[in-house]
Amino acid sequence: GENVEQHPSTLSVQEGDSAVIKCTYSDSASNYFPWYKQELGKGSQLIIDIRSNVGEKKDQRIAVTLNKTAKHFSLHITETQPEDSAVYFCAAVRWGTGRRALTFGSGTRLQVQP
Amino acid sequence: DTAVSQTPKYLVTQMGNDKSIKCEQNLGHDTMYWYKQDSKKFLKIMFSYNNKELIINETVPNRFSPKSPDKAHLNLHINSLELGDSAVYFCASSSAGDQPQHFGDGTRLSIL
Repeated sequence: GENVEQHPSTLSVQEGDSAVIKCTYSDSASNYFPWYKQELGKGSQLIIDIRSNVGEKKDQRIAVTLNKTAKHFSLHITETQPEDSAVYFCAAVRWGTGRRALTFGSGTRLQVQP
Repeated sequence: DTAVSQTPKYLVTQMGNDKSIKCEQNLGHDTMYWYKQDSKKFLKIMFSYNNKELIINETVPNRFSPKSPDKAHLNLHINSLELGDSAVYFCASSSAGDQPQHFGDGTRLSIL
């Protein structure tokens, strides 16, 4: 099955700096890669996703890049703000073959220092 | 509000009891899921379900059973609770098996 590894487990940045979280996946056929933000006591909110036919996607201060050859994808947050502090999860799934469930990375706790 | 909602938010109970967690989505989605997040924050799929098919993660004990009275609900029943069942359980839904999933806020289950 799919295995997703995520690094770093914790990340502390100063407000205004950029933050990068990286994930690698094992199933070369995986074709959908979402990123979720989990705030304390809340469920996971989808913040951005990318499909395997795209190399990069951007939404305001958040961007995701995908390298299919190396089987890794990254989340980039620019101009970080204290409200960006949360746990971020990457995930991967191979759609179109009957599989639906996401395989998640272990999470990255991002702390943005004001 | 359109959302995936779970009840209760917190559940504290004793070992050996039977309990249920409810999940409802008003997004009109066809597929619903249950995930378990353990103490190390790993999110693992337990079940995915639509009105045609239930897919069970083979590592899930048969003490756990999903029950869907209708398309908008997928409840999780747990029999004979064990200490290792303590975790946060998340419900999610998607419009189809290959569409983004939307998560509920989670139910923190604590077994005494």
